Amino acid sequence: DTGVSQDPRHKITKRGQNVTFRCDPISEHNRLYWYRQTLGQGPEFLTYFQNEAQLEKSRLLSDRFSAERPKGSFSTLEIQRTEQGDSAMYLCASSLAAGAASSYNEQFFGPGTRLTVL
Amino acid sequence: RKEVEQDPGPFNVPEGATVAFNCTYSNSASQSFFWYRQDCRKEPKLLMSVYSSGNEDGRFTAQLNRASQYISLLIRDSKLSDSATYLCVVNPVYGQNFVFGPGTRLSVLP
Repeated sequence: DTGVSQDPRHKITKRGQNVTFRCDPISEHNRLYWYRQTLGQGPEFLTYFQNEAQLEKSRLLSDRFSAERPKGSFSTLEIQRTEQGDSAMYLCASSLAAGAASSYNEQFFGPGTRLTVL
Repeated sequence: RKEVEQDPGPFNVPEGATVAFNCTYSNSASQSFFWYRQDCRKEPKLLMSVYSSGNEDGRFTAQLNRASQYISLLIRDSKLSDSATYLCVVNPVYGQNFVFGPGTRLSVLP
């Protein structure tokens, strides 16, 4: 399977615990995005990387959230001191940054990690 | 005002019906536009990009009106398999983050 993969698929944790999610993008893709989706809503942008550089962070991303992409390949998203409001689906997507001639960069999504904070 | 707004739905239509979804966006400088489809408990998948001149892919037609900051998706001859949530997506700055609308759920009934 050469698509975007995420691990784990499901995570149940108690409030106050730390959790870490992993995303493996499509191998030749240099851009990687994290989104959060709650029931009945569209995905909300959290952050994105171009190679190993984190280029943008949403104001939704509080100090408890941190993301890394150390070698420009896989990425991790860590949530510290989880709160019940963090319960959501965390989606990772990747894309290939094309040149100026291309105006459309399709993002390919992984299956997501569903987080439940008790 | 939200950056991307869509018809609230849900839309319940019989097989064979034509259904249209509307979407508006607030950032007039937005660069590119898409419709994604999301099945229940699955990840979003690209349905089609939306070009300035409008574009068609089989039973699906997308239109963009930059002056009105409006995007539409028309589905003709609805199939049961079209049942899903349709997400309007706007790329405010080329190649950077996507802004998703809340989605419009479609149920095609036999």
